[in-house]
Amino acid sequence: EAGVAQSPRYKIIEKRQSVAFWCNPISGHATLYWYQQILGQGPKLLIQFQNNGVVDDSQLPKDRFSAERLKGVDSTLKIQPAKLEDSAVYLCASSPHPETQYFGPGTRLLVL
Amino acid sequence: GQQVMQIPQYQHVQEGEDFTTYCNSSTTLSNIQWYKQRPGGHPVFLIQLVKSGEVKKQKRLTFQFGEAKKNSSLHITATQTTDVGTYFCAGRDYKLSFGAGTTVTVRA
Repeated sequence: EAGVAQSPRYKIIEKRQSVAFWCNPISGHATLYWYQQILGQGPKLLIQFQNNGVVDDSQLPKDRFSAERLKGVDSTLKIQPAKLEDSAVYLCASSPHPETQYFGPGTRLLVL
Repeated sequence: GQQVMQIPQYQHVQEGEDFTTYCNSSTTLSNIQWYKQRPGGHPVFLIQLVKSGEVKKQKRLTFQFGEAKKNSSLHITATQTTDVGTYFCAGRDYKLSFGAGTTVTVRA
């Protein structure tokens, strides 16, 4: 079974630029999550989708972050404009039900 | 809001020794999950505990959920170099919140 795929794996941008991350969950998994993991901290949930609907986006900084999962499969997370404090690993996870989560390799973002 | 605290933040262990890491929540949890993240890797699901006082074992790892469902522990016996990494607990009340993790290093 293929795992959760994410791209790009690494991204370096300057502050105020825009960036987008892509996630392809495990086939058949209805629930998809985006997490932000700052170095030395645990993952922080940004947004949770159930199929193509948003379940929880209470910790998503909506003034600069957006996410979509239009067809209930792939998802994109966008930051516009980026700030220095957005430097982190962005993890996508999927699950067949809202419990066990399977994480992708993450996208490491560095904002200069 | 819910807070999940883990102690210790760092654990340096001699190979072959045992250690325990603890997870405490500010709210009562419906379940708790444990994940392991190797250096440079991503979190990998280890186990989920649901019942009050539940104890589950995976080889040398023993997981326990407190009677009040507000705390949990992970005990590793006979630590090996393969146990290196950061162990996260994630507690669910109305949402899943991760602790900051316990980073384990092993002295051979």
